[in-house]
Amino acid sequence: DIVMTQSPDSLAVSLGERATINCKSSQTVLPSSNNKNYLAWYQQKPRQPPKLLIYWASTRESGVPDRFSGSGSGTDFTLTISSLQAEDAAVYYCQQYHSLPLTFGQGTKLEI
Amino acid sequence: QVQLQESGPGLVKPSQTLSLTCTVSGGTISSAGTCWTWIRQHPRRGLEWIGYACYTGDTYYNPSLKSRLTISVDTSKNQFSLKVTSMTAADTAVYLCARAPSKAADWFDSWGRGILVTVSS
Repeated sequence: DIVMTQSPDSLAVSLGERATINCKSSQTVLPSSNNKNYLAWYQQKPRQPPKLLIYWASTRESGVPDRFSGSGSGTDFTLTISSLQAEDAAVYYCQQYHSLPLTFGQGTKLEI
Repeated sequence: QVQLQESGPGLVKPSQTLSLTCTVSGGTISSAGTCWTWIRQHPRRGLEWIGYACYTGDTYYNPSLKSRLTISVDTSKNQFSLKVTSMTAADTAVYLCARAPSKAADWFDSWGRGILVTVSS
């Protein structure tokens, strides 16, 4: 199984500041057959299901504000939230879809 | 946007079989490429992929649970279901259904709200 490890487990960032969440996979999620990283990011608020933010490591889902951005390649990835808003308080998860079983990171709790 | 809704018992006794259903609305469950997914979230823990059934009829299960799982699709009702046998306290979790756009792009773009399943006598 590909193990996904996020860091930090939690962080507190002030309104308007930048938040950075890291995700590391135990194996590459970039197949040699194409140039796409099989990595997604989700946001989960209390009593809600996860919401897809980003796929292919850097492609924003429709409707997701452009203050959310994803970067990285191979085994190391970053979710950046620029100019933090109050509604961004949530737990964020990364997920690899390079190989089965699909696996998620343990989550990073973002507090404002 | 497709919507998903889980249904089933909130309490299961140890050793019993859990049966859950996910009803899909706003779209057809027979959409080409789509894989219909079950994921669970243990209390205060992260997300665990259980498995999915794809439009091709193929099913894929998490090896850690495979011997206990059945995921099936009922196109006539626009529903898919999950059965987990031999439930134990370790299976207590919120069970969520979700949609993956395709087998080659299996992120999850639509989710149900989840149903809490507690295993207790």
